[in-house]
Amino acid sequence: GAGVSQSPRYKVAKRGQDVALRCDPISGHVSLFWYQQALGQGPEFLTYFQNEAQLDKSGLPSDRFFAERPEGSVSTLKIQRTQQEDSAVYLCASSFTADSLFFHLSSYDEQYFGPGTRLTVT
Amino acid sequence: DAKTTQPNSMESNEEEPVHLPCNHSTISGTDYIHWYRQLPSQGPEYVIHGLTSNVNNRMASLAIAEDRKSSTLILHRATLRDAAVYYCIDHFGNEKLTFGTGTRLTIIP
Repeated sequence: GAGVSQSPRYKVAKRGQDVALRCDPISGHVSLFWYQQALGQGPEFLTYFQNEAQLDKSGLPSDRFFAERPEGSVSTLKIQRTQQEDSAVYLCASSFTADSLFFHLSSYDEQYFGPGTRLTVT
Repeated sequence: DAKTTQPNSMESNEEEPVHLPCNHSTISGTDYIHWYRQLPSQGPEYVIHGLTSNVNNRMASLAIAEDRKSSTLILHRATLRDAAVYYCIDHFGNEKLTFGTGTRLTIIP
């Protein structure tokens, strides 16, 4: 079946431009995560949605970063007035079907990651 | 957030077993031990997880110390396709994943 897809795969932006990165999660997954991965580092959490509700945005580095998931499926990460330090790979992951979340008594579900969007700010 | 520690890099010969260690010094009683790996130019992918007992699946085996302060991911017969960065993570429920810098595994043909 289809996995998590992200678009575009590569984006070059001039400093100060706004960018929008799209994530299509696995159909039926209620949880959606965004991570940022700098070169040579592990991914770092940005924000988390359960359906359309943004339950945690503690990892967003500044108010220039904004994420939405208006219908509980596709999500968009928007970065306004991009800076060079925003250059990174942005990863999206999804997990949990509605059934497993409702009956969730154990403490595990794997996250499925997309291939990422590599953003380069020049 | 719980943080794990791993060696920065390891090398192994092709078709030999690989043992990737991880220290879980701050793991809580409810955390599961998860392993993910990231192949070049791809997003991370789940490998295996466990709580207290050793676990096997088609990709790997996971050995967990009795005190849960350490674990070892075992690839029984490494292939070139296993070259990746391997991350061990303490994780509970539907929380975010907290990645460290991982172990970069190089497979020597």
